[in-house]
Amino acid sequence: DAGVTQSPTHLIKTRGQQVTLRCSPKSGHDTVSWYQQALGQGPQFIFQYYEEEERQRGNFPDRFSGHQFPNYSSELNVNALLLGDSALYLCASSPRGWGANVLTFGAGSRLTVL
Amino acid sequence: AQSVTQPDIHITVSEGASLELRCNYSYGATPYLFWYVQSPGQGLQLLLKYFSGDTLVQGIKGFEAEFKRSQSSFNLRKPSVHWSDAAEYFCAVGPSNDYKLSFGAGTTVTVRA
Repeated sequence: DAGVTQSPTHLIKTRGQQVTLRCSPKSGHDTVSWYQQALGQGPQFIFQYYEEEERQRGNFPDRFSGHQFPNYSSELNVNALLLGDSALYLCASSPRGWGANVLTFGAGSRLTVL
Repeated sequence: AQSVTQPDIHITVSEGASLELRCNYSYGATPYLFWYVQSPGQGLQLLLKYFSGDTLVQGIKGFEAEFKRSQSSFNLRKPSVHWSDAAEYFCAVGPSNDYKLSFGAGTTVTVRA
């Protein structure tokens, strides 16, 4: 049973560019959350999706946007990249209604902004 | 507002010795608390969680944690550390029916032979 899969695993962008990160949730999970983990810090909640809508959002600017598809997979988009956006981006999935009680994390996508 | 403090940035422990990682939280209601472990190149793996009931919680890999409401703490322990326990450990707090966890900055554990 595949867990949460994320792609790409690593990528390098330059300031001002745009990036799209992808996430496939664990089988049986329909809710996806995204977290940003800067170097030396704990993960910070970006937003959460289910039923193809953003349901919760953390303290992140509008440059961060997302999407969820009918098959429950999700994308995280970041526009106008800043150096400070360099981080490990983690996707986590859960069955709807279970919240963090059943939260499975992927290995992450490491973004470097030059 | 919810927040988590992990006072120890880095801990070095000898293999076979005991380990205790500290976690202090701030939360407005009854907290739901979690410990996760992250190995290099890996995602976060849940070690254990506390919602209610017995304040001593058993987890995977021989870890346990104790919830102390009076001290706002949820410390993680392991009686005998193995070299494979070298990793980064994160304490987190949040509602169980929610997805917005607040994580501490983490504690890196190094295990020496």
